[in-house]
Amino acid sequence: GAGVSQSPSNKVTEKGKDVELRCDPISGHTALYWYRQSLGQGLEFLIYFQGNSAPDKSGLPSDRFSAERTGGSVSTLTIQRTQQEDSAVYLCASSLASSGQGFYEQYFGPGTRLTVT
Amino acid sequence: DQQVKQNSPSLSVQEGRISILNCDYTNSMFDYFLWYKKYPAEGPTFLISISSIKDKNEDGRFTVFLNKSAKHLSLHIVPSQPGDSAVYFCAASVIQGAQKLVFGQGTRLTINP
Repeated sequence: GAGVSQSPSNKVTEKGKDVELRCDPISGHTALYWYRQSLGQGLEFLIYFQGNSAPDKSGLPSDRFSAERTGGSVSTLTIQRTQQEDSAVYLCASSLASSGQGFYEQYFGPGTRLTVT
Repeated sequence: DQQVKQNSPSLSVQEGRISILNCDYTNSMFDYFLWYKKYPAEGPTFLISISSIKDKNEDGRFTVFLNKSAKHLSLHIVPSQPGDSAVYFCAASVIQGAQKLVFGQGTRLTINP
């Protein structure tokens, strides 16, 4: 079946511009996560959506970052007024649930490589 | 504050030998641990996991060991194969709640023929 897809695969933008990154999770997965991997670093959590619940935004590094999930499926991560330190690979993951009844595997997309010049 | 650490950025092992990747964590609230494998230009793929109620989990050539008192886990791959060459990430989480993953920095494993 189809896995998690992300678009674009690469994005180069000028400092100060806004960017939107898209994630299409696996059909039927209610939980959706955004992570980012900066150069030489591990992945860091950004934001989490579960069904119709309010998102967990605790990992967003600044108020320039926001995300939404429409219809419980597709998600868009928006970065306003991009800065050079925003350059990273942004990864989306989805899972069946995160209800505490066992651990649900997160399936990752290929990522969007963002370069801010 | 790095809650999950992989202190070896790279590891080189001869084909057929054992590869041992290590990971340390600081947060005692973590009760679930995972290893992911990542190839260039691809997202991480799940490899193996272990709950904090166990000290070992085995799946084919891959075994994960957990030492809770030392807050240390390791991944053993035996025998190592060229296709195992990739970056390996250790991750930790809490089963209750959002199950957010906290990752280490990764270890690049190279298997030499």
